[in-house]
Amino acid sequence: EDQVTQSPEALRLQEGESSSLNCSYTVSGLRGLFWYRQDPGKGPEFLFTLYSAGEEKEKERLKATLTKKESFLHITAPKPEDSATYLCAVLQGGSEKLVFGKGTKLTVNP
Amino acid sequence: AAGVIQSPRHLIKEKRETATLKCYPIPRHDTVYWYQQGPGQDPQFLISFYEKMQSDKGSIPDRFSAQQFSDYHSELNMSSLELGDSALYFCASSRDRVQETQYFGPGTRLLVL
Repeated sequence: EDQVTQSPEALRLQEGESSSLNCSYTVSGLRGLFWYRQDPGKGPEFLFTLYSAGEEKEKERLKATLTKKESFLHITAPKPEDSATYLCAVLQGGSEKLVFGKGTKLTVNP
Repeated sequence: AAGVIQSPRHLIKEKRETATLKCYPIPRHDTVYWYQQGPGQDPQFLISFYEKMQSDKGSIPDRFSAQQFSDYHSELNMSSLELGDSALYFCASSRDRVQETQYFGPGTRLLVL
């Protein structure tokens, strides 16, 4: 069965303390891996789409990378406004549904 | 930039009542997806539509039905509501259902009493 596992479940950082979030997946025929940010009670906000191993994308303090088995979301010098739950999701060939991981709840303290 | 619009944003219903949730996709997006997110859970796929036809189906209860109209907006109809249906319901849209990013709306928070 397809599975998406995110770690850690929760992460507390001090402002400026860089770290990485992990998303490992087991899916046949990966069509895309997606990162979203979700604030409490709000809809997931799109961050990145990665399609093939070796691909990297950056946006401000965030950088996403993809291998054949996992993806990393690197956060450089985070700020308190980066506090949110970060969701990883995969899209498998032949399906249109995103399969989400449980998310990593990030808290950045000033 | 225009985003996905969902209405209502909040809805309170009694058990066994019916609810209708509406979704207006981003302009020029032809595919709509519905997800349910329970408290502390990740979003779960319910159903999707492409060009007004159902294109994929997930764990959607038989009490729920949905459709996409000619202007591409979609409605999720929920009947015989149960306490367990209380959740956030998200609509997402994409320009192309093949390898295309799904953009999510703000959600409808449904509370069943």
